[in-house]
Amino acid sequence: DAMVIQNPRYQVTQFGKPVTLSCSQTLNHNVMYWYQQKSSQAPKLLFHYYDKDFNNEADTPDNFQSRRPNTSFCFLDIRSPGLGDAAMYLCATSGGWGQHFGDGTRLSIL
Amino acid sequence: AQRVTQPEKLLSVFKGAPVELKCNYSYSGSPELFWYVQYSRQRLQLLLRHISRESIKGFTADLNKGETSFHLKKPFAQEEDSAMYYCALTGQGGSEKLVFGKGTKLTVNP
Repeated sequence: DAMVIQNPRYQVTQFGKPVTLSCSQTLNHNVMYWYQQKSSQAPKLLFHYYDKDFNNEADTPDNFQSRRPNTSFCFLDIRSPGLGDAAMYLCATSGGWGQHFGDGTRLSIL
Repeated sequence: AQRVTQPEKLLSVFKGAPVELKCNYSYSGSPELFWYVQYSRQRLQLLLRHISRESIKGFTADLNKGETSFHLKKPFAQEEDSAMYYCALTGQGGSEKLVFGKGTKLTVNP
């Protein structure tokens, strides 16, 4: 039973063309996170929501935005993807006892 | 500053041998420590958290505040333990952001 669901699993976009990745959860957790994970590297936190409160990491590029319209859904928007943004993007949730991760979306940039 | 150090990028052992994956941390306060595992082509998943003091899949980890370490141990490694292992910490409460180590790739040879 997938509790954190990311769509799509694979996303291909063109250089500079906006792209949106989505995440939904069935856990009713109040905290949701977006991570970027490049090959052979640890996940790097981009931002997180505590309920509706948005928390951006200091080194997250302005190119990355996020929306959380309700408890269940969270979106990652990349306004003008560059080649360096090709990575696995992980969504996670937390209800206070460790984070639960989705399968990730692998983003490729042409 | 919050930091998690996993000194070994790669670790290779034979089946049946003991394995220890090292993790040291730096945190001003009382962190919560976790081990996450990522099997090939699978999602990142929680393996252990120090507050639970549990054994999962034969793995244990003890928090040593004096040495600021949280090493992961298993007395007899199995081939199915081959995976990427990440040590991580967060502030108390469990809902704050995770700081990951760079990970250790464990290979258990037959």
